[in-house]
Amino acid sequence: RKEVEQDPGPFNVPEGATVAFNCTYSNSASQSFFWYRQDCRKEPKLLMSVYSSGNEDGRFTAQLNRASQYISLLIRDSKLSDSATYLCVVNSGYALNFGKGTSLLVTP
Amino acid sequence: NAGVTQTPKFRILKIGQSMTLQCAQDMNHNYMYWYRQDPGMGLKLIYYSVGAGITDKGEVPNGYNVSRSTTEDFPLRLELAAPSQTSVYFCASSYSSVNTIYFGEGSWLTVV
Repeated sequence: RKEVEQDPGPFNVPEGATVAFNCTYSNSASQSFFWYRQDCRKEPKLLMSVYSSGNEDGRFTAQLNRASQYISLLIRDSKLSDSATYLCVVNSGYALNFGKGTSLLVTP
Repeated sequence: NAGVTQTPKFRILKIGQSMTLQCAQDMNHNYMYWYRQDPGMGLKLIYYSVGAGITDKGEVPNGYNVSRSTTEDFPLRLELAAPSQTSVYFCASSYSSVNTIYFGEGSWLTVV
């Protein structure tokens, strides 16, 4: 089983839609969880950290379920500028493990 | 705000040549990393360092070497370049293994 698994998509949604991404991780000892965003031919950038109690940043909501080893990202009122690849990131000992990413395309 | 700086941004190498990708960070981070990302694929860890003088292998270290003589710098050396090393290379740093990781802009390498 891979350390971090994500549905690769692509998710094609119209502007204004709500879309959810899921991620599972294998290391039950993991302590830190993040969602990163990567635009085409660019470096990954932090979107938000994921906290045990769940957290929200504007249109973005992240949830963590430690029992099921599951992380989610919800994007409300999608914008064209949200089109990107979203990477689920989980720490495992010495480094962060990155999922392969979920591709999102928001269309007019 | 320099953050993590990588050079060069683009490079074409011939098979068998060697080169060094430079990486520097000005955030006084202890941890530094080198990842590679092949087209349409996820990031794979090549090498990492938890502090000056300490380096260790990641998931895909073969064909690469690193050094960490200072906190700021973490160069990646490619010896005897092979076409399989054609990829985008990202250097990154973080304060610790549980903190946010910051990336450089990437180095696009083609081996022909």
